[in-house]
Amino acid sequence: GAVVSQHPSRVICKSGTSVKIECRSLDFQATTMFWYRQFPKQSLMLMATSNEGSKATYEQGVEKDKFLINHASLTLSTLTVTSAHPEDSSFYICSAPVGSTNEKLFFGSGTQLSVL
Amino acid sequence: GQQLNQSPQSMFIQEGEDVSMNCTSSSIFNTWLWYKQDPGEGPVLLIALYKAGELTSNGRLTAQFGITRKDSYLNISASIPSDVGIYFCAGASGATNKLIFGTGTLLAVQP
Repeated sequence: GAVVSQHPSRVICKSGTSVKIECRSLDFQATTMFWYRQFPKQSLMLMATSNEGSKATYEQGVEKDKFLINHASLTLSTLTVTSAHPEDSSFYICSAPVGSTNEKLFFGSGTQLSVL
Repeated sequence: GQQLNQSPQSMFIQEGEDVSMNCTSSSIFNTWLWYKQDPGEGPVLLIALYKAGELTSNGRLTAQFGITRKDSYLNISASIPSDVGIYFCAGASGATNKLIFGTGTLLAVQP
């Protein structure tokens, strides 16, 4: 299957700092990428849709100024958690669609963010 | 956000047993996908379904797209220890093809 690379896999930061997470499609181009958040023992919740060359679309309840998304190229999307707080600690996973109608989603390996 | 109802929530079985899990929704979906997630990893795509009534296999895994387009089923035959993990269904509809995930089924297999 298609390969989506996510970095870093784990980050620990102090409260108030910003953290950037990168998501790359390694062997295909992705005009759209999706960012999910997953709390322990829970399902994946869609945070936002990243669109290459335009603004991201955020799901209801997700603060766009808190979670900055940049999709500057066809193979890279970044999520920056600004002024992180302990409640932002979570597992963040990116994904990119593949297929004739973008019907299959391939996921990165995830980033475990811990805010102290 | 919206979630799909997935059951059972967890299963504890003996190696060699068959497993069935399902996912239901109040909405119609055009695509159903089944994923497996290991701890600390992203979900891995197992099977994709595109048509109502479709039955698709991937090794010991078989999944079906319900006729009503509001449900899907995953069966695992002759389970082995490496089948352990959390299984998620996901449905997509509309032009955006945004995926909505099920609540997950934790599978534990005892050797």
